[in-house]
Amino acid sequence: RKEVEQDPGPFNVPEGATVAFNCTYSNSASQSFFWYRQDCRKEPKLLMSVYSSGNEDGRFTAQLNRASQYISLLIRDSKLSDSATYLCVGWEGNQFYFGTGTSLTVIP
Amino acid sequence: EPEVTQTPSHQVTQMGQEVILRCVPISNHLYFYWYRQILGQKVEFLVSFYNNEISEKSEIFDDQFSVERPDGSNFTLKIRSTKLEDSAMYFCASRAGTGIQPQHFGDGTRLSIL
Repeated sequence: RKEVEQDPGPFNVPEGATVAFNCTYSNSASQSFFWYRQDCRKEPKLLMSVYSSGNEDGRFTAQLNRASQYISLLIRDSKLSDSATYLCVGWEGNQFYFGTGTSLTVIP
Repeated sequence: EPEVTQTPSHQVTQMGQEVILRCVPISNHLYFYWYRQILGQKVEFLVSFYNNEISEKSEIFDDQFSVERPDGSNFTLKIRSTKLEDSAMYFCASRAGTGIQPQHFGDGTRLSIL
């Protein structure tokens, strides 16, 4: 079964804080993973792909641990504009499957 | 930056009526998808489309649903006889297709069934 599980939150953090989200997946055959962000009533937007070696894009770092079947997203120096729902997305075959999302609110 | 575009942005339809949702994927993309998101719930996969045919579909995508790429540009989702529970946001997405490429989403059509 193709599923990813996320803690829905909400995570409420002060501006400047570091916050981390985890996502676990059940299907070891999953080929690839992505983090998307979704603002309220908007479309998902790609934040970053997740590579086994870990990858960083500015304040964002993503990791994939295939042995433990989890994906993580670390946000450093949180900004107010980071407030959104963060979606963990797995890919297998030609199907993408979404987690329920983790809600983040960055507080001034 | 190229975008996936969807029309209409909001569709209100009486229960039992047919509805067609339209999408124009990014022009050099090869894979196309429809998703739905019921308010407050997660994004759910409906169907993927490649080389003018359905490549995968979910349990949600029953006989009420169909997809078409009639003219090499538009990618449509038809719901034949709408039900109240079809009310949701419907997102179209496309992907370039070579290698592990992420999807790019349109901004969605909000479908309200009365």
